Amino acid sequence: GAGVSQTPSNKVTEKGKYVELRCDPISGHTALYWYRQSLGQGPEFLIYFQGTGAADDSGLPNDRFFAVRPEGSVSTLKIQRTERGDSAVYLCASSLSVGGALNEQFFGPGTRLTVL
Amino acid sequence: AQSVTQLGSHVSVSEGALVLLRCNYSSSVPPYLFWYVQYPNQGLQLLLKYTSAATLVKGINGFEAEFKKSETSFHLTKPSAHMSDAAEYFCAVRKFGNEKLTFGTGTRLTIIP
Repeated sequence: GAGVSQTPSNKVTEKGKYVELRCDPISGHTALYWYRQSLGQGPEFLIYFQGTGAADDSGLPNDRFFAVRPEGSVSTLKIQRTERGDSAVYLCASSLSVGGALNEQFFGPGTRLTVL
Repeated sequence: AQSVTQLGSHVSVSEGALVLLRCNYSSSVPPYLFWYVQYPNQGLQLLLKYTSAATLVKGINGFEAEFKKSETSFHLTKPSAHMSDAAEYFCAVRKFGNEKLTFGTGTRLTIIP
């Protein structure tokens, strides 16, 4: 079956602009996660959704970052007034459920965001 | 807060040689532990995971890892490296009752023909 997909694969924008990054999880997966991977670093947690609600948004760096999942499937990560430091690969993952040892997160290929 | 330390940002081994990638975690309670592999321009793929069922965990592509509580380690090994193993490898932890993964900084594995 299809895996997690993310669009666009690459996004170049100018400082101060607004961007939206989209994630399509695996069908039937109730949990969805966003991570950010800066150059030379491991992925860092941003936010995760259980259904439509954000269950944990403790990783969002500031109020310029916002994410939604209105129907419990597709999610959009929104970044306002982008800064050069926002340049990174934004990864999305989904899992069938949450909790317990069997919860496996499946990752998409990422969106590479470059802020000029 | 939990953290993960991967010793060696770059590791090179000859084809056919043993692969050893190191991972240490800091946690008062053993968490769930994971190894992921990332090939160029691809998403992270789960290699294996420790969930307290067994200390020696076997994963895909011939990789395995051993959980050692006394050393707070979860090193990844493969007896014989293959050219296709060249990639970046990430160790990650997840605390009980918490869904977010905390990743190490990664180890880039190069295979020498």
